[in-house]
Amino acid sequence: EIVLTQSPGTLSLSPGERATLSCRASQSVSSSYLAWYQQKPGQAPRLLIYGASSRATGIPDRFSGSGSGTDFTLTISRLEPEDFAVYYCQQYGSSPPIFFTFGPGTKVDIK
Amino acid sequence: QLQLQESGPGLVKPSETLSLTCTVSGGSISSSSYYWGWIRQPPGKGLEWIGSIYYSGSTYYNPSLKSRVTISVDTSKNQFSLKLSSVTAADTAVYYCARTVVTPFGYYGMDVWGQGTTVTVSS
Repeated sequence: EIVLTQSPGTLSLSPGERATLSCRASQSVSSSYLAWYQQKPGQAPRLLIYGASSRATGIPDRFSGSGSGTDFTLTISRLEPEDFAVYYCQQYGSSPPIFFTFGPGTKVDIK
Repeated sequence: QLQLQESGPGLVKPSETLSLTCTVSGGSISSSSYYWGWIRQPPGKGLEWIGSIYYSGSTYYNPSLKSRVTISVDTSKNQFSLKLSSVTAADTAVYYCARTVVTPFGYYGMDVWGQGTTVTVSS
């Protein structure tokens, strides 16, 4: 079973600053199978990134994803007020039986 | 525009079975590109995948819950359902249904989510 670890647990930043969130897998993950989600309080998660670096429909270009193997990064180039939220990475395991694993999340809050 | 809506009891007694349904509107549940799944989130905690179903009926479960989970699909009603047996307080959570896009070309994420429904396990 692949375990995802996210760091830091909390990131305190100001609007306009750059946010760099890390997701580390316990073993190598295909970059095609790594996604990122944003969740705001009281709301369902929203897909941001799939395939490690492809933005989902309607996602602003200030969000970008990168990485391969066991280390993946979500970058928010300039934080907008609406970006303060919790971010989860997720891995899709395609070997039958299929499975999905979420990381514990990184909270980005206002400094 | 595809929408998912969870429905079911908000309160379940310990040892009983939790039953939820997700109704899909604005699109068909019968597509070879999609899995339909359940994810839950205990209060103040992270996301946990419960299981997924393909329109053909093939099911995939989180090993940690497999012995208690059944997911089924009703293509005639464009719905899929979750049953979780022998519930305890630890099963108290917001339960989400979501569409997952998987094609021969890759994984495109869980792109459409329901709003979530809160289920409390208590006597």
